[in-house]
Amino acid sequence: SQQGEEDPQALSIQEGENATMNCSYKTSINNLQWYRQNSGRGLVHLILIRSNEREKHSGRLRVTLDTSKKSSSLLITASRAADTASYFCATVSGANNLFFGTGTRLTVIP
Amino acid sequence: EPEVTQTPSHQVTQMGQEVILRCVPISNHLYFYWYRQILGQKVEFLVSFYNNEISEKSEIFDDQFSVERPDGSNFTLKIRSTKLEDSAMYFCASATRGTETQYFGPGTRLLVL
Repeated sequence: SQQGEEDPQALSIQEGENATMNCSYKTSINNLQWYRQNSGRGLVHLILIRSNEREKHSGRLRVTLDTSKKSSSLLITASRAADTASYFCATVSGANNLFFGTGTRLTVIP
Repeated sequence: EPEVTQTPSHQVTQMGQEVILRCVPISNHLYFYWYRQILGQKVEFLVSFYNNEISEKSEIFDDQFSVERPDGSNFTLKIRSTKLEDSAMYFCASATRGTETQYFGPGTRLLVL
């Protein structure tokens, strides 16, 4: 299976702190995408990083990709209570379908 | 900002009944997908659709499932004879190209009794 696996499964931090979530996968990829899901709601796309990229930023988000280690990380800086959600990495390979990991449940305490 | 829409938001059905889940992808997108998420589990790929035909399907997408793009805007998922284990949140997604960002709809929560 090529699904990404996130680590940790759950993370609880204080507002203002940084949150780092990691993702590992098993096969070669075209790109890796991070999504956010509020409880019982839809998936919101956060950022896409291609296999030839090593780092990407979007606002308070920073994503890194290490294809040699088959891993990616998502950093949320200066977290807010509204960042409380589940975060998923999803890999895209030749078939262009998303394979999701199990997610990290982030709780930001005000 | 354009978004993917799905109807209904919730559907309750009896085992053995047929259900049709509807999606309106973003208008200039060419690639369409269905995913499902059983409660508490990861999001799973069901099927991808491009150029009016299925591009790829998972082992979950058996003969009970079918997809259709009946007109220029709608994209539907039909489950012919629902089973209890079909209870899940079903997400539609669309993309401009297969290697680009997939934008998800809000989902349809299906409950099979």
